[in-house]
Amino acid sequence: KNQVEQSPQSLIILEGKNCTLQCNYTVSPFSNLRWYKQDTGRGPVSLTIMTFSENTKSNGRYTATLDADTKQSSLHITASQLSDSASYICVVSAEERGRGGADGLTFGKGTHLIIQP
Amino acid sequence: DAGVIQSPRHEVTEMGQEVTLRCKPISGHNSLFWYRQTMMRGLELLIYFNNNVPIDDSGMPEDRFSAKMPNASFSTLKIQPSEPRDSAVYFCASRSTSGSRGEQFFGPGTRLTVL
Repeated sequence: KNQVEQSPQSLIILEGKNCTLQCNYTVSPFSNLRWYKQDTGRGPVSLTIMTFSENTKSNGRYTATLDADTKQSSLHITASQLSDSASYICVVSAEERGRGGADGLTFGKGTHLIIQP
Repeated sequence: DAGVIQSPRHEVTEMGQEVTLRCKPISGHNSLFWYRQTMMRGLELLIYFNNNVPIDDSGMPEDRFSAKMPNASFSTLKIQPSEPRDSAVYFCASRSTSGSRGEQFFGPGTRLTVL
């Protein structure tokens, strides 16, 4: 069964500090992995997408990594800001011929990140 | 573009009542998705449409749930009769391309409370 596990479930850090969120998956055959940011009371917004051949991708202070061999991804946030407080959701897509929902999408339950001043 | 539009933003109803949630996708997008989000289960796909045709409704929890997409610019999710366990935030999302690499754009969600 395709699964996506995220850790930690929640995290509190001080403003200005760095943090790393983890995503482990068992989705197969793998197509791509997205990280979404969901602010409180709003819908998720895509931060980055990574395909099999990509190891690292950055979007401002956000850097995502992918290790397709170990089936792990991380999202690193540098110099955190209060606006980074949100839930971060990892979504893994299987190739269309695979299983798991709409076009093979499997969602993690998210990491709830709180940045304290 | 205004993005994906959902209405109402909040709905409070009593058990047994019919609830209809509405969604207007981004113009030109040909895929539409309905999700339910709870603290316990996270985001769950309920149903999705390609070119107004339901493709996968395996996530619809039971017969009380139904979804329609009569045209490319409008979709509804109906719950009849509603139950307290249906309380959740319901999101609609749209995508411009078929295939899993296309980005889904989410609406602001409808927070449903069933008393």
